[in-house]
Amino acid sequence: EPEVTQTPSHQVTQMGQEVILRCVPISNHLYFYWYRQILGQKVEFLVSFYNNEISEKSEIFDDQFSVERPDGSNFTLKIRSTKLEDSAMYFCASSELGARLQETQYFGPGTRLLVL
Amino acid sequence: GQNIDQPTEMTATEGAIVQINCTYQTSGFNGLFWYQQHAGEAPTFLSYNVLDGLEEKGRFSSFLSRSKGYSYLLLKELQMKDSASYLCAVRCYRLAFGKGNQVVVIP
Repeated sequence: EPEVTQTPSHQVTQMGQEVILRCVPISNHLYFYWYRQILGQKVEFLVSFYNNEISEKSEIFDDQFSVERPDGSNFTLKIRSTKLEDSAMYFCASSELGARLQETQYFGPGTRLLVL
Repeated sequence: GQNIDQPTEMTATEGAIVQINCTYQTSGFNGLFWYQQHAGEAPTFLSYNVLDGLEEKGRFSSFLSRSKGYSYLLLKELQMKDSASYLCAVRCYRLAFGKGNQVVVIP
């Protein structure tokens, strides 16, 4: 069964450093998403991406975040200058279509980011 | 804005039935999802409701009342592997998640 994959599974970085989290969505999916989950808290939407542009973003997704689809398979989330509060599990998700009936988002296993 | 409310934890015995409730107030509505999340893992899709009523999928059933902003997930014949957090998520375009209801299954 096709699945979303993410690398790395864990990332430790120093405050102020840039990190790039990578995702390979399911191959026939067209919509891609990033969510994050701070330890013990709920899953929070960051951004959705379709047709090589951001379709929606939350208030969390400020100027230090960016997303890119550098080639036909990868979808990346860049955090320009990490802060302690960016420590969280970051989930990538994809869906075949967008906000249509019965359109399920499938989640990758996540990247656990720790900012020291 | 979006507000999704779920109780935080419940304990049940193997073989039992549990009902996990979710109430929501959102600025839009395009369906309600239930996901299961084991500790340290990604959410996995369980069920989806967009119309009022009950959707049944094996041991799991989900109910939706749009007028009341209410949904529940029913888990039957509980198994140890069902110990997890159950997340209610409302979709406008993004998915807005509740905090999740941690279900602990004891033998």
